[in-house]
Amino acid sequence: GIQVEQSPPDLILQEGANSTLRCNFSDSVNNLQWFHQNPWGQLINLFYIPSGTKQNGRLSATTVATERYSLLYISSSQTTDSGVYFCAPTLSGSARQLTFGSGTQLTVLP
Amino acid sequence: EPEVTQTPSHQVTQMGQEVILRCVPISNHLYFYWYRQILGQKVEFLVSFYNNEISEKSEIFDDQFSVERPDGSNFTLKIRSTKLEDSAMYFCASTQGTQFFGPGTRLTVL
Repeated sequence: GIQVEQSPPDLILQEGANSTLRCNFSDSVNNLQWFHQNPWGQLINLFYIPSGTKQNGRLSATTVATERYSLLYISSSQTTDSGVYFCAPTLSGSARQLTFGSGTQLTVLP
Repeated sequence: EPEVTQTPSHQVTQMGQEVILRCVPISNHLYFYWYRQILGQKVEFLVSFYNNEISEKSEIFDDQFSVERPDGSNFTLKIRSTKLEDSAMYFCASTQGTQFFGPGTRLTVL
């Protein structure tokens, strides 16, 4: 099956700093989502981004499907951004199930 | 905003007992999924369901697991004889494009 690698595995930032999280995947995909898992375990949709760039407030994401990677940018980080960020593509031709990466654990310090 | 709901939020059971986890997907969605997340690990796909039948399942989804859509709104996951290693957070999701996840059921098998 598709391999999904996220980097870095852990990231510690001072409040106000910017960061870039990366997701590499091994096969053609027809969908990709980014999630934030909060401390209560909930998976919060951030982006549905099979290709191109999207922005939502301080967050933006870019997927370059032809080169098999996606990036999540967090600007002016806040303590509430802490948690685990997962990238999850859908393999082309599948029943649309998501394959999750191992995540990036982000800690934003006040 | 429509959301996926799950009950119960936490289930504690004895090894060997049967459990049923319940989900109400978003009403106009046609694809439904179960995923699980063992504590500290990534989210893993279990099964997808479309048009009242399983469309894909993972290796994890063995004969101990079954899914059902008993009426027009509920979607259930049954584990017939729970094992210690079934302890995990179980997420239900539904989609018409973007997958939306429920808040999860934390299953603890003693």
